[in-house]
Amino acid sequence: EVQLVQSGAEVKKPGESLRISCKASGYNFPYYWVAWVRQMPGKGPEWMALIYPSDSDIRYKSSFQGQVSVSADKSTNTVYLQWSSLKASDTAMYYCARGKARAPNGDCRFDSWGQGTLVTVSS
Amino acid sequence: DIQMTQSPSILSASVGDRVTITCRASQSLSGWLAWYQQKPGKAPKLLIEEASSLRSGVPSRFSGSGSGTEFTLTISSLQPEDFATYYCQQYYSYSTFGQGTEVEIK
Repeated sequence: EVQLVQSGAEVKKPGESLRISCKASGYNFPYYWVAWVRQMPGKGPEWMALIYPSDSDIRYKSSFQGQVSVSADKSTNTVYLQWSSLKASDTAMYYCARGKARAPNGDCRFDSWGQGTLVTVSS
Repeated sequence: DIQMTQSPSILSASVGDRVTITCRASQSLSGWLAWYQQKPGKAPKLLIEEASSLRSGVPSRFSGSGSGTEFTLTISSLQPEDFATYYCQQYYSYSTFGQGTEVEIK
């Protein structure tokens, strides 16, 4: 059974750094894209970034480029999403999701999702 | 970026009703469209991929159709567990989700 288990909720202050994680199991981890998806309250999901763990190929949505960074650890089947300086506007639910790609460049639908990590940024 | 527009935003319906949700893309997707169901406090769940392919385990009352820029999700006979928010997603060029359609009890 494919499972993605995310780290727990976080409460941070503006300017602080943060790394959240997503541990995968039940499939051949290096050979599937994993995405990070943001969902703000009452809004639709928004794709942020994709990583292909086999070769650490990373794609960022333009609006998130430079705002976050994504990495993967093949030894632990874990993908990470990191901020160096949080803003109040980063407050949201963040999901990781396994991508089922239609093409090598990462055009994916998402067939398995983590349970979500709620990030709250407030002074 | 490809824009996705769903209609309606809210749909009020009763158990047993046939409901249809529409999703329009700002450019042709060549069929690379998915539908998801999301219940409060839960992650989205993939229902349909490639516009009309039902995922394993998804009830047959769900169906998808369309091509190019216009797509529909139909629930043939709404069940109590189907009250949720539904999203379309294009994956022709990376990924964009629609803003969602909430199916609520009439």
